[in-house]
Amino acid sequence: KQEVTQIPAALSVPEGENLVLNCSFTDSAIYNLQWFRQDPGKGLTSLLLIQSSQREQTSGRLNASLDKSSGRSTLYIAASQPGDSATYLCAVRPGNTPLVFGKGTRLSVIA
Amino acid sequence: EAGVAQSPRYKIIEKRQSVAFWCNPISGHATLYWYQQILGQGPKLLIQFQNNGVVDDSQLPKDRFSAERLKGVDSTLKIQPAKLEDSAVYLCASSTNLGTGETQYFGPGTRLLVL
Repeated sequence: KQEVTQIPAALSVPEGENLVLNCSFTDSAIYNLQWFRQDPGKGLTSLLLIQSSQREQTSGRLNASLDKSSGRSTLYIAASQPGDSATYLCAVRPGNTPLVFGKGTRLSVIA
Repeated sequence: EAGVAQSPRYKIIEKRQSVAFWCNPISGHATLYWYQQILGQGPKLLIQFQNNGVVDDSQLPKDRFSAERLKGVDSTLKIQPAKLEDSAVYLCASSTNLGTGETQYFGPGTRLLVL
C-alpha cells in the first residue's frame, strides 16, 4: 500500500528565506507526483505536476524535483513571501488509481 | 472560466441526522471526484465519476454514504445517518478526463461538523 510522508509537519521562516519541503513515498511505481497548496477554508490548488519520466518542474519561484528510485520529492521555494503561507500537500498517483496524499506541511512566512 | 462550485460551505448537524452536499464541476469536465479531508490529514478519495458512471468507489462507506451524478454534470454526496467521525471537509474536484496526467481542480469544500 502506497504511503506518503511529508516532513516537516510545520515550518516557520522569516520573509526572504529560501526553503525546502520534503515528501517521501513508499512505492516507487508511480505515474506522477503533484504538489498542491491549500489555504485555510479553501480547496487545493495544483502547483506543479511531475511525470514519472521527469526529474523536475519549475514555475516562478517554485521548483519541484523527483527522485523516483529513492521515493523522494522536494519542493523548493525561493525568496519566500508572507503570501506563501499555506499548507503544502504532496500527492502521488500509483498507476491508474486515486491520488494518495501526504498530511501536508503547514508553512508560515513571517514578515 | 468558473471554478468548481460547492454548497453549502458549512453544515452543523447532530449524529444520526442526514446531510447532502452539492458540487458543480468546471464546464466540460468529464471526471468528478469527491474527497474527505479530516483535520490534519490529506484528502482521501471517496468516489470518482466519469460522466455519469462510477469509476472507483472502493473507499466509500456504502452503508451510510451515497453519491450520484445523474446527468453527468453536477453531483450530490449524501450521508445518512451521520456519525461523529464524519466531521471533515468534503472536497469536490474535476478534471477534463481520466488520464493519469490530468490536473484536478478543487472546489472550496464543505465543512461538516457532526455533534
